[in-house]
Amino acid sequence: SQQGEEDPQALSIQEGENATMNCSYKTSINNLQWYRQNSGRGLVHLILIRSNEREKHSGRLRVTLDTSKKSSSLLITASRAADTASYFCAVAGNQFYFGTGTSLTVIP
Amino acid sequence: GAGVSQTPSNKVTEKGKYVELRCDPISGHTALYWYRQSLGQGPEFLIYFQGTGAADDSGLPNDRFFAVRPEGSVSTLKIQRTERGDSAVYLCASSLIKRDSEQFFGPGTRLTVL
Repeated sequence: SQQGEEDPQALSIQEGENATMNCSYKTSINNLQWYRQNSGRGLVHLILIRSNEREKHSGRLRVTLDTSKKSSSLLITASRAADTASYFCAVAGNQFYFGTGTSLTVIP
Repeated sequence: GAGVSQTPSNKVTEKGKYVELRCDPISGHTALYWYRQSLGQGPEFLIYFQGTGAADDSGLPNDRFFAVRPEGSVSTLKIQRTERGDSAVYLCASSLIKRDSEQFFGPGTRLTVL
């Protein structure tokens, strides 16, 4: 399987706290993307960071990319109960594959 | 259309039967993807179309799985002689141009093989 690896597998935090999830991969990339999936639904694209970028922001989301370590992190600041979902990284290069996901629970 | 649609939303079949799953991508999107997702796992790539042709079918698990996109829009994933291990959510996605673009996902078809 070509899946990337994410950690933690599951994360539970209080509303208002920050959530950080990490993704590691093995291949060379053109870009790395993060997606969100609510239970029983399809995936929704959150943010894309290109291989020549190191950090990107979108609203309460902050993504970093370290191509030397083949890793990325997604930070959600000031979390809300509505952020409860599974989050997946997706590695785009010669192939396109998803990570194993982090299940985030934000407790009101 | 407004988004990617998939039909049926749920499919229950018996072991050994043939099933077809349909995907309607966003109008104008040339790239279309099929994934399979088991509970608690990330989506597993099956096949990628660019236009009418399968640009990468390396994820199809065996020759019981086949997909077509004859006119470059709607796609059908076909599974022959279904097995219980085929039970999963089958996701379809489309993107505007190429494989490393943002992908737009449908809600999925939940396949249960009894």
